[in-house]
Order: sequence, then C-alpha cells, then structure tokens
Amino acid sequence: GAVVSQHPSRVICKSGTSVKIECRSLDFQATTMFWYRQFPKQSLMLMATSNEGSKATYEQGVEKDKFLINHASLTLSTLTVTSAHPEDSSFYICSARGRRSGANVLTFGAGSRLTVL
Amino acid sequence: AQKVTQAQTEISVVEKEDVTLDCVYETRDTTYYLFWYKQPPSGELVFLIRRNSFDEQNEISGRYSWNFQKSTSSFNFTITASQVVDSAVYFCALSEGYNQGGKLIFGQGTELSVKP
Repeated sequence: GAVVSQHPSRVICKSGTSVKIECRSLDFQATTMFWYRQFPKQSLMLMATSNEGSKATYEQGVEKDKFLINHASLTLSTLTVTSAHPEDSSFYICSARGRRSGANVLTFGAGSRLTVL
Repeated sequence: AQKVTQAQTEISVVEKEDVTLDCVYETRDTTYYLFWYKQPPSGELVFLIRRNSFDEQNEISGRYSWNFQKSTSSFNFTITASQVVDSAVYFCALSEGYNQGGKLIFGQGTELSVKP
C-alpha cells in the first residue's frame, strides 16, 4: 500500500532551538500533505495543509512563524518548529494525499514525538 | 460546521466480551467520508475503515463490524469477542469532499482497555 515515512520518530531538544520534522511519501506523489498535532490524552488537531509548490494554509490559532511548513516536492513536506518551548512538546503526525495505481490514497506517517526541555 | 463526537472517553471490558464504540457526526455536506483509526501506545494511526456517505451498507471484517446510519448521523464500531491486543485508543473521523480534500476532523477518541 501507499507508504509515508516520517522522521525523526522521537526528538528531544533544548528550549529555544529549532527542530525539523520530515514527511515523505515513498511510493506515490503527494499533491497535498496535512500536519496534525496531538497532546497527551487528546485528539488530533489539524495544524496546516500544504500543497506542493505553494504556501501552506494554517488553521485558526496556529502560528505561521512558529510552525514553518515547506512542501517543495511531490514527495516531501517538512515542519520546522522554530524557537521551541516546552509547551510545544507534542506528538506531530503528517498525512499525505495523492494517487497511486489510479486510486486516491490518504496515508498517515507514524508520527514524531517532540520533547522540549 | 463539521463535528465528530465520541461520547465514550474510556471503556473497559473483559476479554471475549463484545464492545461497541459510538460515533456521531455533524456535517452540512451530502458528500462526505467517515473513517475509523486505531492508535496503539506507539502512537501510529492504524487505518481500519473508510465509508462514503452514499454507502449505508454495514460492513464486517473479521471480528470488526461497522454500522452506518445516516438517519441518526452515526457510524458505530463493534468488536466481537474482544482480545487484549484490541486495547488502544480508537478515533472516528470525518472528511468532506474526499476527492478534493483529505482534511480529517477527528473525534475525541475512545480508550478501550481489554483485560484478560
């Protein structure tokens, strides 16, 4: 099936540093990628939608300058958490939408757990 | 506005019991898709089912079954003869216009604990 690789799976960083998370579609071209955030014991909340070659669309309340999203190719989107703080500690999950073997696919990555000290 | 409600935050059952997880949704669209995902402690979302709004047939896959009723805007999930490995958080989700979107609205999740 359609595979999405998300890296790193876990990352620990110091407060004030920036962290980059990658989301790659391995066997299909992802025209759209979605980034979600999940706090402990809570649901997944959509942060932003990115289309290849254009600026991301952010959901209300999500800081564009803090969560930089780049979708430079049809197989790669990156989320950069800038100047991370402990309250940014969360589980970040991407999903990729595209077509594979003539069918629409929507696949999630395995997630990235960010801990900011 | 779109909304997905999973009223059961936690359910605890003993192995081999049947359990039903409820999901109620709200949408103004006539074309939409409903999903169920399983999230084990590792965090990865495991896809279980996708159902479009025009297909109200119930579906069975092994010990899993789904009951979709547009009249009550519900898409309930039943596990028959539950097993310890079924312990996880289960999410119901809604997407409008799947072919144009893929943006999912998730319910709050139901944490299922199956005890031996």
